[in-house]
Amino acid sequence: SQQGEEDPQALSIQEGENATMNCSYKTSINNLQWYRQNSGRGLVHLILIRSNEREKHSGRLRVTLDTSKKSSSLLITASRAADTASYFCATLKGGGNQFYFGTGTSLTVIP
Amino acid sequence: DTEVTQTPKHLVMGMTNKKSLKCEQHMGHRAMYWYKQKAKKPPELMFVYSYEKLSINESVPSRFSPECPNSSLLNLHLHALQPEDSALYLCASSQVGPPYEQYFGPGTRLTVT
Repeated sequence: SQQGEEDPQALSIQEGENATMNCSYKTSINNLQWYRQNSGRGLVHLILIRSNEREKHSGRLRVTLDTSKKSSSLLITASRAADTASYFCATLKGGGNQFYFGTGTSLTVIP
Repeated sequence: DTEVTQTPKHLVMGMTNKKSLKCEQHMGHRAMYWYKQKAKKPPELMFVYSYEKLSINESVPSRFSPECPNSSLLNLHLHALQPEDSALYLCASSQVGPPYEQYFGPGTRLTVT
């Protein structure tokens, strides 16, 4: 069963603009991860933020985590057409390897 | 080598057929996963293997039978599937311990007729 919901479900922006997507989850977590999926392909890990971290950067990606609100956001700056994909947050349940993915945000970057 | 490979890429099978999906990784990961993904939906966890032993079965119907013959290989045996089982089947691997970053294969697109 899913543990997270993301919004917006779909986002369309012009190249060069920033894209922000949000993830809310239901239970306590060890860490939260963001993945990208190009249409019909496998997922690619983007960034991981631990439960004791509040913000993390990787290149054009910025992730924030608010454990009190059970929410996270992913910001992609200076977007490119190649960023067009679906983005999923994933949370790790309990102490094992059970990953649950959010509902996903479909991002379209218009050249 | 950070690649997870899956075969076949596409599979069409009838409801009475028996087929298998295969997954392979050579990253030394001892946790391997099967996910099912329907169109425009997130991946849904099916099975998790840790150290070649089945550790999590998310109440998957018995017509799906996983197998982990060694630390590099993961199979999913399919038998008597239903049309609603048509989906993209994704394999992933990770370390058993934290941070649990997963590496995904490209998936097998399964169509049940």
